[in-house]
Amino acid sequence: GIQVEQSPPDLILQEGANSTLRCNFSDSVNNLQWFHQNPWGQLINLFYIPSGTKQNGRLSATTVATERYSLLYISSSQTTDSGVYFCAVGAGRRALTFGSGTRLQVQP
Amino acid sequence: EPEVTQTPSHQVTQMGQEVILRCVPISNHLYFYWYRQILGQKVEFLVSFYNNEISEKSEIFDDQFSVERPDGSNFTLKIRSTKLEDSAMYFCASSDVGSGNNEQFFGPGTRLTVL
Repeated sequence: GIQVEQSPPDLILQEGANSTLRCNFSDSVNNLQWFHQNPWGQLINLFYIPSGTKQNGRLSATTVATERYSLLYISSSQTTDSGVYFCAVGAGRRALTFGSGTRLQVQP
Repeated sequence: EPEVTQTPSHQVTQMGQEVILRCVPISNHLYFYWYRQILGQKVEFLVSFYNNEISEKSEIFDDQFSVERPDGSNFTLKIRSTKLEDSAMYFCASSDVGSGNNEQFFGPGTRLTVL
């Protein structure tokens, strides 16, 4: 099956700093989603981005499907950005395969 | 904005008991999924459902699990005889068929604790 690797596994930032999270995947996909898991365990959908670039406020994401990676950028980080960020990939409407996540801690 | 809902938010049960987790997918979606996440681990796929039948399932989805769409709105996951290792967060998701967009929309999850 598809392998998904996320890096770094852990990240500690000071409030206001910028960060880049990476997701590498092993096979061609046409579904790629980024999620933020909040302290209550809910998966908050950030981006559906099988290719190209999207921006939503302080967050943006880029997927280069031909090179099998995606990047999530967080600018001017806030303490509320803390949590685990997951990348998930799939083909069509088949199962999503999740990475192991990046645990982000933003300190005041 | 339409969203996937799940009930209950928390469920505590005794080992060996049956549990039913309920989901209401987004109304015009036709593909449904269950995933689970054991505490501290990554999210794992269990099963997908389309056109009233299982479309795909993982090796986790063994005979103790079943899914059903009992009416036009609900989608359920039944665990027949719960084990301690079934303790996890269970997520339901749904996807539209006709839009050409493969995005899966996730519910808030049900936290299942087996004692």
